[in-house]
Amino acid sequence: NAGVMQNPRHLVRRRGQEARLRCSPMKGHSHVYWYRQLPEEGLKFMVYLQKENIIDESGMPKERFSAEFPKEGPSILRIQQVVRGDSAAYFCASSPREPAFEPQHFGDGTRLSIL
Amino acid sequence: QKEVEQDPGPLSVPEGAIVSLNCTYSNSAFQYFMWYRQYSRKGPELLMYTYSSGNKEDGRFTAQVDKSSKYISLFIRDSQPSDSATYLCAMNGGAGKSTFGDGTTLTVKP
Repeated sequence: NAGVMQNPRHLVRRRGQEARLRCSPMKGHSHVYWYRQLPEEGLKFMVYLQKENIIDESGMPKERFSAEFPKEGPSILRIQQVVRGDSAAYFCASSPREPAFEPQHFGDGTRLSIL
Repeated sequence: QKEVEQDPGPLSVPEGAIVSLNCTYSNSAFQYFMWYRQYSRKGPELLMYTYSSGNKEDGRFTAQVDKSSKYISLFIRDSQPSDSATYLCAMNGGAGKSTFGDGTTLTVKP
């Protein structure tokens, strides 16, 4: 499967715990994007990364959330001290290297539930 | 006001009907316009994308962009029960993040 791979598919955490969501982009893609989807809503942009660089984090909450895309390995979205309001589906997307525009391709998401 | 507004639905049509899904936007910087289909518990799947104004056809699907009116549409001809899903419009200025509508849920009844 050459698509965007996200794991885990489902994650349950208790309030105050940490959540780590992983994303491996499509082969040949070097741009990664994270989006959050609340029930009955569209996708809201969180962060855009290239290898070892955060390009745009304008959609990330200022506290408890962080993201990285290391030189080796998957991109990680980390949520510290989770609260009930963090319950959502988190989607990762990837696109190829610039300069020509290519639309983003999405994984099947991680559904985070906070008890 | 949201940058992208999508007709909320839900939409229910009989099999074989022509479906029209619509979005409006306010940001003149958007240059690329995408339509994604999302089945329950799955990720968005790219259906079509267009650059600037005009029409693009792919099988039973036609995407239409009118930049002067800031209005985009997706038409589905000869709709099938397998087309039942949530359809998301998305827009991009050419690099970086895409901005999505809230989606329209379509049900095609046999």
